[in-house]
Amino acid sequence: AQSVTQLDSQVPVFEEAPVELRCNYSSSVSVYLFWYVQYPNQGLQLLLKYLSGSTLVKGINGFEAEFNKSQTSFHLRKPSVHISDTAEYFCAVTEGGSGGYQKVTFGTGTKLQVIP
Amino acid sequence: NAGVMQNPRHLVRRRGQEARLRCSPMKGHSHVYWYRQLPEEGLKFMVYLQKENIIDESGMPKERFSAEFPKEGPSILRIQQVVRGDSAAYFCASSPPSVFPYEQYFGPGTRLTVT
Repeated sequence: AQSVTQLDSQVPVFEEAPVELRCNYSSSVSVYLFWYVQYPNQGLQLLLKYLSGSTLVKGINGFEAEFNKSQTSFHLRKPSVHISDTAEYFCAVTEGGSGGYQKVTFGTGTKLQVIP
Repeated sequence: NAGVMQNPRHLVRRRGQEARLRCSPMKGHSHVYWYRQLPEEGLKFMVYLQKENIIDESGMPKERFSAEFPKEGPSILRIQQVVRGDSAAYFCASSPPSVFPYEQYFGPGTRLTVT
């Protein structure tokens, strides 16, 4: 069974500083990985996804993530954060195959607080 | 192209009442997923539906909860005899019937408060 662990529930960081949000997954088969962002009182918006190919994935708003199969990680990074990046970030995983059915497992989320 | 729509955005129910949450998927999407988000927790999968079919309801509580996605109209998540523990944000997502894997598009959620 697949699972996702987000190691940090909250991450405070100063504006214009770099940030890394950690995500580790567990799966017995090939996986597809996602990062979503949730702004207050809103739904989830896809930031980026890893399906195959290059292990470094670039997403919207200057975010990127690196898929590391040996460490089963998919950490999210941004070199310089803005106040507007304050939100909750969710890592998610889904397994390959299954005849077209995609069940996504979400982590518990990391709240990024950007400090002016 | 309108996104996933959910209504109502906020719903207040007294204990014992019924709650009906509606989800209209994006145009062309025939797969619908429901998730529940409790305070300080991540999203928990509840049910996956295609038109007129429940594909996976492994995340649904055994009692009081039901979901449908009729041939015409929105998907409905129904909670009977609500209790305070049902207070949460309920999100709907949809995806197109295309090649696996595909992105899920989320609605803004319905925030249910049980008093």
